[in-house]
Order: sequence, then C-alpha cells, then structure tokens
Amino acid sequence: QEKVQQSPESLIVPEGAMVSLNCSFSDSASQSIWWYQQHPGKGPKALISIFSNGNKKEGRLTVYLNRASLHVSLHIKDSQPSDSAVYLCAALNTEGADRLTFGKGTQLIIQP
Amino acid sequence: NAGVIQTPRHKVTGKGQEATLWCEPISGHSAVFWYRQTIVQGLEFLTYFRNQAPIDDSGMPKERFSAQMPNQSHSTLKIQSTQPQDSAVYLCASSLVWGASSYEQYFGPGTRLTVL
Repeated sequence: QEKVQQSPESLIVPEGAMVSLNCSFSDSASQSIWWYQQHPGKGPKALISIFSNGNKKEGRLTVYLNRASLHVSLHIKDSQPSDSAVYLCAALNTEGADRLTFGKGTQLIIQP
Repeated sequence: NAGVIQTPRHKVTGKGQEATLWCEPISGHSAVFWYRQTIVQGLEFLTYFRNQAPIDDSGMPKERFSAQMPNQSHSTLKIQSTQPQDSAVYLCASSLVWGASSYEQYFGPGTRLTVL
C-alpha cells in the first residue's frame, strides 16, 4: 500500500522568504503527485500537480519530482502571510486502487 | 458554482447513536469521494463512487459505516452505533472525471463529528 511521508512537520519563516516542503512516496508506479493547501476549518484545495520527472512552475510555486529517489518537493517563492496553512502531499496510484493517498501534512506559518 | 456542499457542518452524537452526513457534489462531476481526517491519522480515504456506482470502499470500517449515492446530486455517509473513536472531520470531494488523469478533487468544508 502506498505510503506518503512529509517533512518538516511544521515550519515558521519570515514573510518574503523561500519555503521548501518535502514529500517522499513509496511506490514508483504512482501516476502523479499532488499538493493541496488547507486552511483551518476548510477543506483541502489543490495547488499544483506533477506527472513527469522534472519540475513544473506555476506562479510563485515550483514543484520538483524525482521518481528514482521517490521524492517530490514544493517551493513557494516570496512567501506571504496568506500562505500560512497546512500543506498536504498526495500520491495517485491507479494500479488496483484508483485513489489518492495523503501525507500527514506540513504546518506552515509565515510571520509578517 | 457553490462548490461541494456538506451538511451539517457540526454534529454531536451520543455513544451508540446513528449519524448521517450529507454531501452535494459539484454539478456535472462524475466522481465523489469520502475521507476522514484526524490529527493522529491525517486524511484517510474511505470510499468513492463513479457515476453513482460504488467503485472502492476498501477504506470503510465494514461493520458500522455505509455510503450511498442515490442520485447524481447527493451522497450520504451513515455511521451506525457511533463510538468516540469515530470523532473526526468527514470530508467529501468531487471530481469531473477520475482515473489515470489530471483532474483535481474539489473538497467540501467537512462535517465535524463529535461522539460523546
């Protein structure tokens, strides 16, 4: 069964700093990796996904996927206080189980 | 577009009582998912439907949990004989299509269930 682990558990950075979040997954057959953002009292919201080895940039977000090392990272440039939230990494594996498996998340706090 | 709607937002039950949670997916979305979220376990998959048909319920505790999707506009999650360990936020999500594709899941705000 797919396992997804995230680090760090929590992170506090000053406004404007670059944020780097890490995620490892157990199954190299994972079709895609998703990053979700969750604010208190709200459901998760999809931010960005990646399917191919390499990187993908959308606005202030860049995600890197390395299938050989089973690792993916999310980088947030020029962080804002509104970026404060829990960030969830999720792996999609469609072999036998057509579902997303989530990590436990990283709590990010951006200090003004 | 109101997004995924979940009702009630909060529910308190006594041990042994039944709880029914409702979800209205985004109109036109063919896949509906149920998850449970706790501090300890994180976000756990429970079950999902595609075009109203149950596809995978492998995450559901078998004895007391059941889910249905009687029509394309709503799904229910029923928990019989609730126990304190069932206390969690139950999240519903929908997706335009699902499978080996890039379509994202849209989550509702969740129902916080507290079992006393």
